[in-house]
Amino acid sequence: AQKVTQAQTEISVVEKEDVTLDCVYETRDTTYYLFWYKQPPSGELVFLIRRNSFDEQNEISGRYSWNFQKSTSSFNFTITASQVVDSAVYFCALSEENFGNEKLTFGTGTRLTIIP
Amino acid sequence: DGGITQSPKYLFRKEGQNVTLSCEQNLNHDAMYWYRQDPGQGLRLIYYSQIVNDFQKGDIAEGYSVSREKKESFPLTVTSAQKNPTAFYLCASSIRRNSGFYGYTFGSGTRLTVV
Repeated sequence: AQKVTQAQTEISVVEKEDVTLDCVYETRDTTYYLFWYKQPPSGELVFLIRRNSFDEQNEISGRYSWNFQKSTSSFNFTITASQVVDSAVYFCALSEENFGNEKLTFGTGTRLTIIP
Repeated sequence: DGGITQSPKYLFRKEGQNVTLSCEQNLNHDAMYWYRQDPGQGLRLIYYSQIVNDFQKGDIAEGYSVSREKKESFPLTVTSAQKNPTAFYLCASSIRRNSGFYGYTFGSGTRLTVV
């Protein structure tokens, strides 16, 4: 069974600080997909990134970066120079390969508050 | 622009009533999903459908029903058997490409409150 753990329930940082959101996953499959989604106060989940299990290369997109480490089953998300607009709930999610029958399992989310 | 439309945005239900939440997509996605979100519990899968006229129960299907008569539509009915229906409901869709699974596109959600 697939499982995602986001141990940080809430984080608050002052604007311009860096912040890392942790994500640890469990799966028995060798082929799987990892995701991060952002949920602003409006409620809709917004896709941020996708990683498959064969691509351990870290990714940077502007102020956002992701660190995927299979050895520790982690897929952590770092925001550099945080801004108030980054305040949201962030979800990490996992899907095992199932050839058209994929389903995402979500962590419980981390509520990030950026203090101006 | 393609996307997923959920309606209504807010819904109030009286005790003992059935209510139906609408979810429509124009993305030509094959799979559609319903999730329930409660504070501190993340998103839990209610039902999903990989193809028209077929659907499967998720982790918390009791008290809910769905139909998938058209590819574009996946309505969720919250029945009176659901004892604690107050929650935020999210609909999503996905499509699988040759290069793999690319996750979901979400609607903007329906907030259901029992009054």
